[in-house]
Amino acid sequence: DTAVSQTPKYLVTQMGNDKSIKCEQNLGHDTMYWYKQDSKKFLKIMFSYNNKELIINETVPNRFSPKSPDKAHLNLHINSLELGDSAVYFCASSELGQTGNTIYFGEGSWLTVV
Amino acid sequence: EDQVTQSPEALRLQEGESSSLNCSYTVSGLRGLFWYRQDPGKGPEFLFTLYSAGEEKEKERLKATLTKKESFLHITAPKPEDSATYLCAVQADGGSQGNLIFGKGTKLSVKP
Repeated sequence: DTAVSQTPKYLVTQMGNDKSIKCEQNLGHDTMYWYKQDSKKFLKIMFSYNNKELIINETVPNRFSPKSPDKAHLNLHINSLELGDSAVYFCASSELGQTGNTIYFGEGSWLTVV
Repeated sequence: EDQVTQSPEALRLQEGESSSLNCSYTVSGLRGLFWYRQDPGKGPEFLFTLYSAGEEKEKERLKATLTKKESFLHITAPKPEDSATYLCAVQADGGSQGNLIFGKGTKLSVKP
């Protein structure tokens, strides 16, 4: 069983469109995240979310919004897509805590905006 | 500013040729240091977490060590299947939950 799964794996779309990437984890974790890996290969956090708190990286445009229907799911909605949004987006999850809990990643969603 | 620097950017080894990857970090306080392996087209796969200087962890041919300024990932007698990009990340005191600061990675190629 895949611990953190996300769909679609590949997404090609036109500028200006709105798209969503879905994520589910079956690890029973309390906290989920979205990370972005850009063309330079750096992984950077976009959001962290548990049932009490959403923390947004201040550099993330407000066109990006996480939506969590329940503890096991955290979807990423992107409005008015721009060319610069092309990247790999990784969903991840961990237990809630303050002691450097291990974060487990999904396989990634390759977004190409044309 | 919290920062992670990995070296070398790329490393080519012959099968059986042991070596080490370096991860230097600058953080206000270390909550944890993480090593991940990433294969092409895949997500990062968790390898180790280290919490305090002097700590060591091993898994098969890999051994991770930690000092107050850097971590090493030692690879003993590597095999071609060890070829991947190895990512180092830190979580800093005062950072938000799950905010891992990643290095750019070391791309390891092991030739038979």
